[in-house]
This record gives sequence, structure tokens and C-alpha cells, in this order.
Amino acid sequence: NAGVTQTPKFQVLKTGQSMTLQCAQDMNHEYMSWYRQDPGMGLRLIHYSVGAGITDQGEVPNGYNVSRSTTEDFPLRLLSAAPSQTSVYFCASSYSKGEYDNEQFFGPGTRLTVL
Amino acid sequence: KQEVTQIPAALSVPEGENLVLNCSFTDSAIYNLQWFRQDPGKGLTSLLLIQSSQREQTSGRLNASLDKSSGRSTLYIAASQPGDSATYLCAVPLGNDMRFGAGTRLTVKP
Repeated sequence: NAGVTQTPKFQVLKTGQSMTLQCAQDMNHEYMSWYRQDPGMGLRLIHYSVGAGITDQGEVPNGYNVSRSTTEDFPLRLLSAAPSQTSVYFCASSYSKGEYDNEQFFGPGTRLTVL
Repeated sequence: KQEVTQIPAALSVPEGENLVLNCSFTDSAIYNLQWFRQDPGKGLTSLLLIQSSQREQTSGRLNASLDKSSGRSTLYIAASQPGDSATYLCAVPLGNDMRFGAGTRLTVKP
């Protein structure tokens, strides 16, 4: 298994540009999520999905969109990039968010800089 | 509100020492607690997951314990090696989110 994969590894954008961060997992996990990690702020949940076709907002959803058309893929879209979105983005997945089978696996991250 | 605290924030030890990292949480109604390792510029690697019904989990030189009643977990690393140098984070579920500690940055000196 490749686990959780993310592309690209690095990205530089100009203010106002849009882009999509890709995330895929091959573990047949139902639950997928996006976090951003900032110095002094820790990891904060952006959006999550409990299964194909179902998404919801996390703690810091503004400026981001997600969709989940398949179990495997969970892309994160930046609609109009702002310098405040400079961060490291992590995708994570688990079989469930319930009491069992809930171990979280993280991808390697995308380092995004918005100029 | 669930708060997760890790002490110490940083730790430096000579190679070969046994060490303990601490994690405390304020709400004991948790399904599990997970320990991660993060190397500089890298993602989070899952080390150990302890379910609420368990008291400890072991993987190689790592042993994690969980005491829900006192809101504490410890990660014990035996015979530390320079390759163990990294930031160690603990996390607990919070609805559809996870609450992470700020991490302990471990340096193991040769």
C-alpha cells in the first residue's frame, strides 16, 4: 500500500491564483481530512469527509473547498490564494472516526507559499 | 473543552538513555490516544494507538501507556538513538477532529 499520498510537495502561488492540492489513499478508508500546520498554531482541521459524497467544515474552512467523488480521493481547492494561506497542508485518513478502526494516517504534506 | 498538553516542550539526552515523554488531556471521555512522530519538513508518522480499553501498547523500543482517569499518557523510549531525534506529538479524537498537543522536540546526542 502507498498509504496517503499528496501532490505537489511544494508550491508557490501569487495572491489571487487558484490551485488544487491532491490527496489520495489506497486503504479503503472512509474518513479523510485536511489539516494545516502553522508555527505556534499546531494542526487545525480545514475540511473533512466521512465518505464519498459527504463533506463538512472543520475549524478553519474559509477560502477552501473540497469534494469527495470517490473513496480514494479528497482534493482541496484554494479558490483565491492569500498570503495567510501560506502553510503546510496535511491530508489524513482513517477507516472510521468511531470507537474502533480509528487510527489516523497522514500524508507527507504540501508546503505552500503565497506571495 | 478538550486541551492537550505535552511536557517538556524540548528534551535533549545522550544516546542510550531511556526517556519518557508526557501527554495530558482535560476530558477523559476519549476513544483512544495516538502518538505520532514528525521529522523536520516531513509528515506525521503514526507510532502507537491506544484504545480507551487498553492501558498500554508496545512497538519495538516504544511503549505508550494510557491512564484515562488521570488524563495522562506517557511515551517511553528505551535505549534512545540519534535516529529518534524528532518531534513527538500526542493527539485525541474530538468529534470529527483531533486535538493535538504542541509536541516535544527530542534531540538524542551521539
